[in-house]
Amino acid sequence: EIVMTQSPATLSVSPGERATLSCRASQSISSNLAWYQQKPGQGPRLLVYGASTRATGIPARFSGSGSVTDFTLTISSLQSEDFAVYYCQQYNNWPWTFGQGTRVEIK
Amino acid sequence: QLQLQESGPGLVKSSETLSLTCTVSGGSINSRIYYWGWVRQPPGKGLQWLGSISYSGTTYYNPSLNSRVTISVDKSKNQFSLGLNSVTAADTAVYYCVRPLYCSGGTCIDYWGQGTLVTVSS
Repeated sequence: EIVMTQSPATLSVSPGERATLSCRASQSISSNLAWYQQKPGQGPRLLVYGASTRATGIPARFSGSGSVTDFTLTISSLQSEDFAVYYCQQYNNWPWTFGQGTRVEIK
Repeated sequence: QLQLQESGPGLVKSSETLSLTCTVSGGSINSRIYYWGWVRQPPGKGLQWLGSISYSGTTYYNPSLNSRVTISVDKSKNQFSLGLNSVTAADTAVYYCVRPLYCSGGTCIDYWGQGTLVTVSS
């Protein structure tokens, strides 16, 4: 099983600032990496797939990068609605696996 | 717009079998190209894929569940189901039914149900 490790566990950011979230895979997953946002009481929402392609309807302030084992999700200017938990997920090998999540909280 | 809705008991006794059904609306489950699956999330914790099934019945199960999971499709009802036997308190979680990420023409999309909390009691 591919282990996905996210850092940091919690990120404290002020509105309008940039947030950078990291995700590392225990082995190569090419670019088969997705990012999800989850708010309390809701299911995950797809933000990015293919490591860098924004899903339909996702604002341009969200951008993904990376390949092989190291990936980054950047939120360029945090809005109030962006404070949530973010998960990376690899879909290169079964079982598909998620990172443990990064909580983005208001500083 | 495709919609998925989980249903089933919210309380299951320890050592018994957890059974959930996902009803698909706004589209047919009878498609050769899509898979259908289940993801769970224990309270306050992360997400775990349990398994998925294709239109033809090909299944992929998470080995960490030690063969306790079964997923099936009922094409006549446009539903698919999850069974998890020998449950313990560790199986208490929100269970989501999902149409997993599918990519075509460079665009990928997935669909999630709203999730249903299942509590395992002793």
